[in-house]
Amino acid sequence: AQTVTQSQPEMSVQEAETVTLSCTYDTSENNYYLFWYKQPPSRQMILVIRQEAYKQQNATENRFSVNFQKAAKSFSLKISDSQLGDTAMYFCAFMVTQGGSEKLVFGKGTKLTVNP
Amino acid sequence: GAGVSQSPSNKVTEKGKDVELRCDPISGHTALYWYRQSLGQGLEFLIYFQGNSAPDKSGLPSDRFSAERTGGSVSTLTIQRTQQEDSAVYLCASSRYGTSKGPDTQYFGPGTRLTVL
Repeated sequence: AQTVTQSQPEMSVQEAETVTLSCTYDTSENNYYLFWYKQPPSRQMILVIRQEAYKQQNATENRFSVNFQKAAKSFSLKISDSQLGDTAMYFCAFMVTQGGSEKLVFGKGTKLTVNP
Repeated sequence: GAGVSQSPSNKVTEKGKDVELRCDPISGHTALYWYRQSLGQGLEFLIYFQGNSAPDKSGLPSDRFSAERTGGSVSTLTIQRTQQEDSAVYLCASSRYGTSKGPDTQYFGPGTRLTVL
């Protein structure tokens, strides 16, 4: 079974600094997709970034980038120039596709606080 | 365009009552998913709908839970004889193609917070 582990329950960072959130996963598949979602207090899950395992290049979206290490099964999220609006829960997720169905398997999340 | 919408935003009910939670996916999205988010269990998959195919109900925790999707659009999650352990945030998501064209990005609604007294 696929599992996702986020080892940092909480983190904090000063505004304008850089922070990295860790995620590891376990799978025997070769082709798969990984995601980072952000959940602010409003509860809305917002897609931050997505990575296809067959792509060697790390995905980047503005201030957000990932360090995808396929052999190590690691998928960390780097947030540069942190902003107060980045304060939220961050979830790493692995997409499982099987038998015509698909679902996301989520980690437990990391609560990120950006301090002024 | 409009995102995924869910209603009600919050629902308080008494143990033993039935509840219905509604999800309106993004227009044109063929796949729809339900997840449950609770303090103890984190985020759990409940059910997946793709077009006219039979849904994947493998995540439903008991036979008190059921879901339907009418006309390939709106979905309703029904919980019968609610229990206190059903208290959670129920999240709905949709994607444009689901598995029909390879793994697809899921877009989430704001969720329904269910409290069972």
